[in-house]
Amino acid sequence: GAVVSQHPSRVICKSGTSVKIECRSLDFQATTMFWYRQFPKQSLMLMATSNEGSKATYEQGVEKDKFLINHASLTLSTLTVTSAHPEDSSFYICSASLSSGGYNEQFFGPGTRLTVL
Amino acid sequence: DQQVKQNSPSLSVQEGRISILNCDYTNSMFDYFLWYKKYPAEGPTFLISISSIKDKNEDGRFTVFLNKSAKHLSLHIVPSQPGDSAVYFCAATAGGTSYGKLTFGQGTILTVHP
Repeated sequence: GAVVSQHPSRVICKSGTSVKIECRSLDFQATTMFWYRQFPKQSLMLMATSNEGSKATYEQGVEKDKFLINHASLTLSTLTVTSAHPEDSSFYICSASLSSGGYNEQFFGPGTRLTVL
Repeated sequence: DQQVKQNSPSLSVQEGRISILNCDYTNSMFDYFLWYKKYPAEGPTFLISISSIKDKNEDGRFTVFLNKSAKHLSLHIVPSQPGDSAVYFCAATAGGTSYGKLTFGQGTILTVHP
């Protein structure tokens, strides 16, 4: 299947700093990318949907000024956690969709473990 | 509000036997359901899916059953193999503006013993 990478895989930062996470589709062009967050022993929660060249659509309860999403190209989306706090510590996973449709054509990255001290 | 629930955090099965993972949902707008498998330090990988117009879908050792009236689906793995040991997530999505947005359950850790 298609490959999606995330960088970094693990990051530790101080409270108040900003962290950028990259999501890349390595061998296909992704018109849509999704960002999820997973807290320990909980399910993956969708944070936002981003389409290349347009503003991201955020889920209810997700602060768009805190979680900045940029989808500048068909192979790259970035999530920036601004002014991170310990409660933002979580596992962040992106997924990329091959086309505008196809439920089974959503490929997930390996995730990024964020720890805010 | 947990719209997709996997009430069993873990399941242990002997190699060669059947593994049955269960999932319940509450949102009647869901019309497509998927199962994902996840190994540690990796993202989920797609396993099998089922549309709400069907009640069964089979792919090799994996079969998904959907009971719409009970809002329940299950994943059967037979025969189970040690390599199947992983976390299994069920996910659901609805049509319309929610197309492509997946709502996940909490996951079930499957351990298959040799």
